[in-house]
Amino acid sequence: KQEVTQIPAALSVPEGENLVLNCSFTDSAIYNLQWFRQDPGKGLTSLLLIQSSQREQTSGRLNASLDKSSGRSTLYIAASQPGDSATYLCAVFYNQGGKLIFGQGTELSVKP
Amino acid sequence: EAGVAQSPRYKIIEKRQSVAFWCNPISGHATLYWYQQILGQGPKLLIQFQNNGVVDDSQLPKDRFSAERLKGVDSTLKIQPAKLEDSAVYLCASSFSPDPGNTIYFGEGSWLTVV
Repeated sequence: KQEVTQIPAALSVPEGENLVLNCSFTDSAIYNLQWFRQDPGKGLTSLLLIQSSQREQTSGRLNASLDKSSGRSTLYIAASQPGDSATYLCAVFYNQGGKLIFGQGTELSVKP
Repeated sequence: EAGVAQSPRYKIIEKRQSVAFWCNPISGHATLYWYQQILGQGPKLLIQFQNNGVVDDSQLPKDRFSAERLKGVDSTLKIQPAKLEDSAVYLCASSFSPDPGNTIYFGEGSWLTVV
């Protein structure tokens, strides 16, 4: 079964801390992996998309890595800010099935 | 550029009643998706349209859920009759094409509470 798992479900850190969010997937045959951000009461915003041939992508303070062989991706957030507080969702586009499969998300709270 | 528009934003209904949600995708986007997101879970694809044709509805509970995209632009998702477990956010999304490399843009969602 094609699944995506995110650990932890919730994370609280003080402002300024560097942090890592984890995502694991069950099948290495993927087109790509995306990280999304979801603010309370809002839809999803795409943060980073990593193609299956890539190892990482960077955007500002965000860095996402992909290790297909181990079925893992990490989202690294540097120098966290209260404005980073949101739920972060990992989604995998598997070769078979043709649709995005989402993890359950990690709810991040950055305290001032 | 206008984003994906959804209405209503919030709806409370009693079980066994019906409800309909409307979505207007980004102009020019041929692919439209409806996702269901239950509190604490990730979104789950209910149905995917390519223009006005259904590409994937394998996870749509067809005994109570229906969706249409008659002119290949706007779409409506209907639930009849609603059950308590249908309480969720219904997210509409669109993309230029179903190519996995295309960015998928999400609307803000329609929040359904069934009491």
